[in-house]
Amino acid sequence: DGGITQSPKYLFRKEGQNVTLSCEQNLNHDAMYWYRQDPGQGLRLIYYSQIVNDFQKGDIAEGYSVSREKKESFPLTVTSAQKNPTAFYLCASTTGTGRNEKLYFGSGTQLSVL
Amino acid sequence: EDQVTQSPEALRLQEGESSSLNCSYTVSGLRGLFWYRQDPGKGPEFLFTLYSAGEEKEKERLKATLTKKESFLHITAPKPEDSATYLCAGRTGSGNQFYFGTGTSLTVIP
Repeated sequence: DGGITQSPKYLFRKEGQNVTLSCEQNLNHDAMYWYRQDPGQGLRLIYYSQIVNDFQKGDIAEGYSVSREKKESFPLTVTSAQKNPTAFYLCASTTGTGRNEKLYFGSGTQLSVL
Repeated sequence: EDQVTQSPEALRLQEGESSSLNCSYTVSGLRGLFWYRQDPGKGPEFLFTLYSAGEEKEKERLKATLTKKESFLHITAPKPEDSATYLCAGRTGSGNQFYFGTGTSLTVIP
C-alpha cells in the first residue's frame, strides 16, 4: 500500500544532541513537507521541498535542517540550536499539480527532551 | 498575510446535537480549502477539498461548504466516534504552501 512512513514513533533527545527524524514516501509525490504541532496549536511549517535537491524554509526553520537527495525521502534533523524541540512532528507529501492536491500525512513522531 | 482561523477552539456536543465548525481564511489566490480530522497521537486524515465558493461536499454525518471568506463543517446528529480535532487548511495559488488553522477539538458525549 502506498503511503508515508515516519520513524521512529517516539524519540528522546539529550541536551546538545542532534537527532534525525525519518520520512519515506512511496506515492511518487514531488512535494514533501515537515510540520511541527504543539498541544492546542495548529501545524506550523518547518521546511518544504518541491523537487529533489531543492528545499525552502518555512515559518519556523531555525534550529532545523533537511535534505532531499532522493524523491522518496525527506529527513529532518533537529539540531542542538533548537532550544524547545518537544513537539509532535508530521511529514506530508502531495503531487503538487492537478486537482487531487491534498496533503497526505505520516503517523507522526513525538520528540521529547530528556 | 496568508492566514486561516478556526472557531470555536473546543466544542462539546451531546450525541445527536448538530452544530457547525467555522474556518475563516485570507489566502492569496486560494487553490483549495482542505478539511482534515486528527485523532490524538496520529497524523491528520483527509476529509474534503473545496475549490470554489458555493461548493459543498458530504461524507456520512459531515458536510463542508465554502464561501469567498469562510468554510463551514456541519456535523449532523454526531456520534461519540466523531470526537476528534478538525483542522482546515488553505493552499496558496502561488508556491505550494498550505496554511493550517489551530483546529477545533470536538467532543461528543453519549
